[in-house]
Amino acid sequence: EVQLVESGGGLVQPGRSMKLSCAASGFTFSNYGMAWVRQAPTKGLEWVATISYDGSSTYYRDSVKGRFTISRDNAKSTLYLQMNSLRSEDTATYYCTRDKITIAAISHVMDAWGQGASVTVSS
Amino acid sequence: DIQMTQSPASLSASLGETVTIECLASEDIYSNLAWYQQKPGKSPQLLIYYANSLNDGVPSRFSGSGSGTQYSLKINSLQSEDVSIYFCQQNYDSPNTFGAGTKLELK
Repeated sequence: EVQLVESGGGLVQPGRSMKLSCAASGFTFSNYGMAWVRQAPTKGLEWVATISYDGSSTYYRDSVKGRFTISRDNAKSTLYLQMNSLRSEDTATYYCTRDKITIAAISHVMDAWGQGASVTVSS
Repeated sequence: DIQMTQSPASLSASLGETVTIECLASEDIYSNLAWYQQKPGKSPQLLIYYANSLNDGVPSRFSGSGSGTQYSLKINSLQSEDVSIYFCQQNYDSPNTFGAGTKLELK
């Protein structure tokens, strides 16, 4: 069974940093591109960042570019999101997701989702 | 960015009824359209990708159609477990973008 389990969320002050982790199991992690998608309270879904299966390519939405870093450790089957200079508008539940296509291509279709990690940016 | 406009924002339907949710893209997305279901308090789940391909394990009462800028999700014979928010997403261009969602309730 595919499982994605996020951790590392919580309350953080504006301007500070936080790192999310996502432990993957039930599939060959190193074969899949992975992404973070967020959902502000009672709002819709917003793609944040994507990383290729081998970590060689990363993609970010403009509003987080230069502040967030997506990375992965294939030996540990773990995805990360380092968030710096956090703003109130970053408050959301952050979902770890798996891309539907394996190896070389990234489809940006998310066929597996974690339960989410809540991040609240407030003083 | 490509804007995705969903309609209606909410709808109420009876058990056994057929419902249709629409999604309009601000430009041609060449069938690069996915649908997700988010049940109350849960994370989203993929239903349909590339406009009309059913994801593994998704009941056949769900179907997708459309092309160009106009797409739809149809649910036949509505079940109680279909009460959810449904989102469309375009994966044609970066950044991939989602519709605002359609909240489906039972009448």
